[in-house]
Amino acid sequence: DTAVSQTPKYLVTQMGNDKSIKCEQNLGHDTMYWYKQDSKKFLKIMFSYNNKELIINETVPNRFSPKSPDKAHLNLHINSLELGDSAVYFCASSPTLEYAGNTIYFGEGSWLTVV
Amino acid sequence: SQKIEQNSEALNIQEGKTATLTCNYTNYSPAYLQWYRQDPGRGPVFLLLIRENEKEKRKERLKVTFDTTLKQSLFHITASQPADSATYLCALPRDGNKLVFGAGTILRVKS
Repeated sequence: DTAVSQTPKYLVTQMGNDKSIKCEQNLGHDTMYWYKQDSKKFLKIMFSYNNKELIINETVPNRFSPKSPDKAHLNLHINSLELGDSAVYFCASSPTLEYAGNTIYFGEGSWLTVV
Repeated sequence: SQKIEQNSEALNIQEGKTATLTCNYTNYSPAYLQWYRQDPGRGPVFLLLIRENEKEKRKERLKVTFDTTLKQSLFHITASQPADSATYLCALPRDGNKLVFGAGTILRVKS
C-alpha cells in the first residue's frame, strides 16, 4: 500500500548511458514532482506536473526528460549520464498544485551513481 | 538572493530534553512554512505546516513557531527520544508553487 513508489532504488551506471526512473502514486493526487538531493543534502525541485501537464522545469539540463503518461505516473529519463548526475532522485506528489495547506508525499528515493 | 538557513552542525541532546531547531530565511515573504523529517535512506516526511498569521502550531510533542518579523521559525521537540533522531528540513514556497527546502539539521538524541 505504498503511497509513492519509485524504481529502481539503486542504480549504478557508466557515463554516457541513458537510464530511466519510474514513479507511481496511488493517492489520487493531481500533482507530481521530481526532486534531486545532492551530496550536500540540498533537496531541489526539478520538475512538477499537474494532471499530466508540465508546470515547473527548474532549469534542468535537457538531458533530463520527464514523462507523465497519466496523472498517477511520472517517469524520469536521463540521457548521456554525467558524473555530476550522481545523486538521490525523489519522486513526490501533492493533492493539488497549490501548496497552501498541501502536504508533499515523497517516495523512498532512487540512488543514482554514475561511474 | 533568497536563502534558507538551518544549523549545519548536528544537534546532540540527551533523551528527555527539549530539542530546538532553527530555520532562518532571507528575501522571502512566505505565506506559510513547512517542516519535514528525513531518516537516512528515506524520503522526507511532512510534519507540520504553519501559516504567516499563526504564531505557534502544536502536534503532540512537536511545536513550531513562526516569526515573520525575525524571518525565523523554531521547531521544538519536547521530551525527546532516541527515535526522534533524524534530519529535520524546513521548506518555504517560492514563486507561488515551488517548495524550496533548507539543507536540514541533523538531530541526535542520546539515551
